[in-house]
Amino acid sequence: AQTVTQSQPEMSVQEAETVTLSCTYDTSESNYYLFWYKQPPSRQMILVIRQEAYKQQNATENRFSVNFQKAAKSFSLKISDSQLGDTAMYFCAFMNPWGDSNTGKLIFGQGTTLQVKP
Amino acid sequence: DGGITQSPKYLFRKEGQNVTLSCEQNLNHDAMYWYRQDPGQGLRLIYYSQIVNDFQKGDIAEGYSVSREKKESFPLTVTSAQKNPTAFYLCASSPEDPLKKLFFGSGTQLSVL
Repeated sequence: AQTVTQSQPEMSVQEAETVTLSCTYDTSESNYYLFWYKQPPSRQMILVIRQEAYKQQNATENRFSVNFQKAAKSFSLKISDSQLGDTAMYFCAFMNPWGDSNTGKLIFGQGTTLQVKP
Repeated sequence: DGGITQSPKYLFRKEGQNVTLSCEQNLNHDAMYWYRQDPGQGLRLIYYSQIVNDFQKGDIAEGYSVSREKKESFPLTVTSAQKNPTAFYLCASSPEDPLKKLFFGSGTQLSVL
């Protein structure tokens, strides 16, 4: 069974600085998707960034980028030029859309609470 | 605007009572999902449905039931058999898209009186 682990329950960063959130996962599959979701105090889940495992190039979305290390099963999120609006809980998630059940089921990590300080 | 609507935002359940959480989407998505979120934990899948009149159990289906009579609606009933129902419940939907991006509703906080 696939598992996702986020080992940092809480982190803080000064505004305008860079922070990296860690995520590791376990799977025997070779093709899958990885995601980072953001959940601000409003509790709305927002997709931050997505990585396809068969792509070697790391995904980037403006100030957000990932460091995808497939062999190490690591998928960290880097936030550059942190802003107060980045304060949220961040979830790493795994999906295998080609699995037997093909459910689109997302498997989530426990989350990392990020506080951006002024 | 297209989206997913969950109601109510807050819900209270009495001992032994069944309660139903509503989830409606106008995105024309085939697949819909229910997740439960507890403090300090990630989201866990309760039930999912990939097509009308069909649904499957997720990882924590005990004490819950669902129906999918219409494409746009996927209500979740928390039955009296669910002994620890206090949690934040999120509904999601996804299109027939290889990248399977999930769209989430704004959630329902269920508490026990």
